[in-house]
Amino acid sequence: NAGVTQTPKFRVLKTGQSMTLLCAQDMNHEYMYWYRQDPGMGLRLIHYSVGEGTTAKGEVPDGYNVSRLKKQNFLLGLESAAPSQTSVYFCASSSTGVYNEQFFGPGTRLTVL
Amino acid sequence: AQSVTQLGSHVSVSEGALVLLRCNYSSSVPPYLFWYVQYPNQGLQLLLKYTSAATLVKGINGFEAEFKKSETSFHLTKPSAHMSDAAEYFCAVSVIYGNNRLAFGKGNQVVVIP
Repeated sequence: NAGVTQTPKFRVLKTGQSMTLLCAQDMNHEYMYWYRQDPGMGLRLIHYSVGEGTTAKGEVPDGYNVSRLKKQNFLLGLESAAPSQTSVYFCASSSTGVYNEQFFGPGTRLTVL
Repeated sequence: AQSVTQLGSHVSVSEGALVLLRCNYSSSVPPYLFWYVQYPNQGLQLLLKYTSAATLVKGINGFEAEFKKSETSFHLTKPSAHMSDAAEYFCAVSVIYGNNRLAFGKGNQVVVIP
């Protein structure tokens, strides 16, 4: 049972390049989330999904797109990377229920030059 | 909108001393509250959670937190700090029932002084 995994762990992009971050969970969770973590800002929700085929915007969705084609995977895309998107990105998942915890992946450190 | 406030981004504590991290929440509905810990270069893991069953909640690694509705607080404590407690700690409140969305505080970086 690997829990929540994220690939890649590190990535450096040039401004304007695109990339996709992959999140996978093996806990059969319905809910999945993408966050970004910046110093002094805590975690901010980018997008989330409440089930296969569904996505919704979080606090800071601009510049990002997501897809949930399979229940176990949640992809985060950057179509045209900007330096402001330099951050650490975390994926999380949760089962249904009003107070179930979120389980986090190890993170992806992204630098945009 | 639901939110949490954590004051003091960096907290220094001597080994063996009390750890106290403050969290105040704002919520228009009865809240569910969480404390998460993040060790260096790792993801977040749950320390403990309040779900209205008991106001004093015990978590992993000797941490506990007390829910005080009158003070809108959910402070985290540990009687005796250990070097392994050096980490970043986040308080979070449930945002909307039904999809487990959370609003996180800005975090407290805890430094343990030998």
